[in-house]
Amino acid sequence: EVQLVESGGDLVQPGGSLRLSCAASGFTLSSYWMSWVRQAPGRGLEWLATISEDGSQQKYVDSLKGRFTISRDNAKNSLDLQMNSLRVEDTAVYYCARDSKGGPKDYWGQGTLVTVSS
Amino acid sequence: DIQMTQSPSSLSASIGDRVTITCRASQTISTYLNWYQQKPGKAPKLLIYFISNLQSGVPSRFSGSGSGTDFTLTISSLQPEDFATYYCQQTYRTPHNFGQGTKLEI
Repeated sequence: EVQLVESGGDLVQPGGSLRLSCAASGFTLSSYWMSWVRQAPGRGLEWLATISEDGSQQKYVDSLKGRFTISRDNAKNSLDLQMNSLRVEDTAVYYCARDSKGGPKDYWGQGTLVTVSS
Repeated sequence: DIQMTQSPSSLSASIGDRVTITCRASQTISTYLNWYQQKPGKAPKLLIYFISNLQSGVPSRFSGSGSGTDFTLTISSLQPEDFATYYCQQTYRTPHNFGQGTKLEI
């Protein structure tokens, strides 16, 4: 059974940093692109970033302006999102998702809540 | 960036109704259009990929159609479990933007 489990969400002050992780199981992580998507409270879905199977390619939404970094460790079956210079508007539930061929996100984690507040 | 616009933003319907949600892309996206269903407090669920392909386990009352820039999601006969928010998403080019969502209410 495919499972994605996010962790690392927390309350952090503006300007702080946080690292989210996504533990993958039930499939061969190294065979799939993976993505992060977030959802601010009461708002819609926002695609943030994607990373290739071997980690050599990363693509981001422009609005992140270099503050976030997606990475992966296939040997550890793990996907990460390093978030720096956090802002109040980064408050959201963060989901990791598996990209099936052509991009549809066919499996999602349960999400982890990041709250940025002083 | 490719912008995705859904309509309506919200929709009231009854059990057994036929419902259609539309999604328009700001430029052609070939067949790279997907639909998701999200219920409160839950992760999104992939319903349809590449315009019209039903994800495994999704009931056949869901269908998708369209081409180029205009796409639709149709639910042929609403069931109680279908009341949720629906999102379209293009995966033709990054950023893989979503539509703003359509909340389907009783």
